[in-house]
Amino acid sequence: GAVVSQHPSRVICKSGTSVKIECRSLDFQATTMFWYRQFPKQSLMLMATSNEGSKATYEQGVEKDKFLINHASLTLSTLTVTSAHPEDSSFYICSALSGVANYGYTFGSGTRLTVV
Amino acid sequence: QKEVEQNSGPLSVPEGAIASLNCTYSDRVSQSFFWYRQYSGKSPELIMSIYSNGDKEDGRFTAQLNKASQYVSLLIRDSQPSDSATYLCAVPGAAGNKLTFGGGTRVLVKP
Repeated sequence: GAVVSQHPSRVICKSGTSVKIECRSLDFQATTMFWYRQFPKQSLMLMATSNEGSKATYEQGVEKDKFLINHASLTLSTLTVTSAHPEDSSFYICSALSGVANYGYTFGSGTRLTVV
Repeated sequence: QKEVEQNSGPLSVPEGAIASLNCTYSDRVSQSFFWYRQYSGKSPELIMSIYSNGDKEDGRFTAQLNKASQYVSLLIRDSQPSDSATYLCAVPGAAGNKLTFGGGTRVLVKP
């Protein structure tokens, strides 16, 4: 089946530093990658949609200069949280359209970010 | 009105019983619908996808779709404690295929 590898699974960083999260599609080409954020006891909220080779499209209220998304290849998309603050602490999840019938959207395993 | 709505629960069911989860959506042009299961601290995993009106069965899971009523449901038969999780209904939008998630229904199966 379609697999999206996401790492790191957990990261703790100091306020003011930047953190990069990577998502790789292992056995398919992900022309579109979606980035979500999930706070405790809440559902997934879409942050942005990235298409290979073009600028990401951000959802309303999401700061594009703070959450930098790069989708330079068909198998790799990255999310960089810049100048992280404690309120950025959350569970970040990527997802890709697999293009395989009935697989729908394949999710990465998620990254738990804690900013101290 | 939210685009995708679910009862937040918790839905408590005894082991072996049927758990019934409901989801309504607002976009009439939606063509595909997904149910995901999410354990605490984990990312969602796909349980079922459904595209046509009617029922679709996969093991202990049955998805039911009624496009006229803009309603999709998930039945879990012979519920097991391992089914205890949050179930997310998701619908792709008309533009860009981005998934919109419902708030999720927490299911608790009691032995």
